[in-house]
Amino acid sequence: DSGVTQTPKHLITATGQRVTLRCSPRSGDLSVYWYQQSLDQGLQFLIQYYNGEERAKGNILERFSAQQFPDLHSELNLSSLELGDSALYFCASSVGASGRDTQYFGPGTRLTVL
Amino acid sequence: AQKVTQAQTEISVVEKEDVTLDCVYETRDTTYYLFWYKQPPSGELVFLIRRNSFDEQNEISGRYSWNFQKSTSSFNFTITASQVVDSAVYFCALSEIKNTGGFKTIFGAGTRLFVKA
Repeated sequence: DSGVTQTPKHLITATGQRVTLRCSPRSGDLSVYWYQQSLDQGLQFLIQYYNGEERAKGNILERFSAQQFPDLHSELNLSSLELGDSALYFCASSVGASGRDTQYFGPGTRLTVL
Repeated sequence: AQKVTQAQTEISVVEKEDVTLDCVYETRDTTYYLFWYKQPPSGELVFLIRRNSFDEQNEISGRYSWNFQKSTSSFNFTITASQVVDSAVYFCALSEIKNTGGFKTIFGAGTRLFVKA
C-alpha cells in the first residue's frame, strides 16, 4: 500500500459525459501528479501540482482539467468524454516538486467510456 | 525531445535464469533522473529505483541490479535468479525538469516479463 488513495476504483460512463476522479496524496506529500495509461498510448504524464499550484503539464487534453485543493487532495475532471478516453488513470504523490523525489502511485481509477 | 525506449516488448524466461531489461533514453538536459517501476498483474505501479544523471554508480539491491551508462544513454535493469513473482511489466522512466519548478516524467513503453516455473 503506497498510501495514495484514489476514488472511485472503477467508473463506467457514456460518451459526452463528465466525470471527476479524486486523489488523496500520502501524508506529508505536497506534489500530486496525474497519469493516463492506455493500450495505445502507454503511460502518459498529464499534469503536476505542488501545494496547490500547477507546476508541469504534459499531454493533457483541453477537455481535461485538474486542481489541487488546500487540503492537498486533487481532482481530475474529464469532460465531453470520448471512447478513446477509456484508460487507467493514476495519481501519484511525492514530498517535493523536484524530479529527484520518488513518486508513489495510487491504485488507479479504471474509466470505461461506452 | 526527451524519449525513453524499451526495445524489448516481451521477455520470457524460466525460473532461476538471469534477465536484463534494456532502457535507452534521449535528453538534452544535463540534469535528469531515471527510474524503474514495476507493474505486477494487480495493476499498481511500484517504485524500484531512482538514479540522477551525475551518479553513474551501479546499484545492487538483492536480486536486482542496475547499470547506468551515460556514454550510451542506457539504464539497464538485471534480475538475477528470476522468480515467478518477478512476472510483471517493467517501466523505465526519465524526469525532465521544467523551468516552472516542476518536472515531467516520460515513461518507456514497458517490457512484459514472464517467468515460468
